[in-house]
Amino acid sequence: KNEVEQSPQNLTAQEGEFITINCSYSVGISALHWLQQHPGGGIVSLFMLSSGKKKHGRLIATINIQEKHSSLHITASHPRDSAVYICGYNTDKLIFGTGTRLQVFP
Amino acid sequence: DTAVSQTPKYLVTQMGNDKSIKCEQNLGHDTMYWYKQDSKKFLKIMFSYNNKELIINETVPNRFSPKSPDKAHLNLHINSLELGDSAVYFCASSLTWNDSPLHFGNGTRLTVT
Repeated sequence: KNEVEQSPQNLTAQEGEFITINCSYSVGISALHWLQQHPGGGIVSLFMLSSGKKKHGRLIATINIQEKHSSLHITASHPRDSAVYICGYNTDKLIFGTGTRLQVFP
Repeated sequence: DTAVSQTPKYLVTQMGNDKSIKCEQNLGHDTMYWYKQDSKKFLKIMFSYNNKELIINETVPNRFSPKSPDKAHLNLHINSLELGDSAVYFCASSLTWNDSPLHFGNGTRLTVT
């Protein structure tokens, strides 16, 4: 069993749809990372959050520390949002999920 | 100005060779990392240095040796390359260990033939 579980593994959407990607983990953590990896391969850090909610443009990340769960939402999705989204955390080591591959079609 | 830069971008080599990948960050961060991403896109930590001190050394073959000459540099040397070493290797940095956002380099695609 992975220490970080993401769902769904693959997601397709039409442009404009509201997207939710879920991340569950099994240990107590202080902060969780959300990363975005575009088809070209580069990785960008989207959020690091330890409680509540953070928003950046059309992206919103929420975390519930007690329930060990985080969600990444994309409002008004666009084809340029097509990427792999990866969540993970630091404790004494860095653990990442296997990612959610999102494809947004025009 | 590139924040985290790694070279080379592509590396094709034969089994048994020794190769190095270099990483430099100009962000003034204390912590640097090496990650390996396999063909299934699974991102796995290999090493982490904080202020030039090794703080994470995951179960990685000892053919892989990181070297941090200063806080801004973390190089990865690989001896006796094997087919299974083929992957994309990412360097990253963060301001501090454990509670700072990560900044990634563009990756080095290593192909061992």
